[in-house]
Amino acid sequence: AQSVTQLDSHVSVSEGTPVLLRCNYSSSYSPSLFWYVQHPNKGLQLLLKYTSAATLVKGINGFEAEFKKSETSFHLTKPSAHMSDAAEYFCVVSDQGPIKAAGNKLTFGGGTRVLVKP
Amino acid sequence: GAVVSQHPSWVICKSGTSVKIECRSLDFQATTMFWYRQFPKQSLMLMATSNEGSKATYEQGVEKDKFLINHASLTLSTLTVTSAHPEDSSFYICSARKLAAFYNEQFFGPGTRLTVL
Repeated sequence: AQSVTQLDSHVSVSEGTPVLLRCNYSSSYSPSLFWYVQHPNKGLQLLLKYTSAATLVKGINGFEAEFKKSETSFHLTKPSAHMSDAAEYFCVVSDQGPIKAAGNKLTFGGGTRVLVKP
Repeated sequence: GAVVSQHPSWVICKSGTSVKIECRSLDFQATTMFWYRQFPKQSLMLMATSNEGSKATYEQGVEKDKFLINHASLTLSTLTVTSAHPEDSSFYICSARKLAAFYNEQFFGPGTRLTVL
């Protein structure tokens, strides 16, 4: 079984200040972890992914996340927020390893809405 | 790249009619496609997993006779909402996983907004 919890439903930051979005997961196996961003009425865009290589993962648009197995966390950070970062962010977990015939599933966190103040 | 398209991007229909939504992987082959539903200000919920050439696997609580899924080729899956009712109004998003993918990385379409009057 797998699950993911995003600890903040809303985060408000000022433009130019750091952003931290918190995510904790549970998984029966070594997980793959993803962060997606969704702008209003749009589909999901992959920001970054962890698939058992380096624990510090760099993504697009200046985002990065660190996989901490001991804390079962995969928090997303960005050093300096931009107005265009205002969106909904989803932390997603999937069991890693060979794809089973039934298909591994993605489990989504509840989402964190980011507001960027000028 | 790995681009997934959906058509239509939005649709308005009358209660009782059926609506078909297409999901296409444009530049890769996908043995498995997924259909999700998203209510306003909520997260994505998996509805079903669609495998090319076989029956879809539905999540608990999803009516397979209401949400018909067909995965006729390695680049196309369709979701048909039959006898749609206002409670079926939602944002439907598909995703696709590459043929022979080892990790469960999915590529998402832009979504289809369904409004049932």
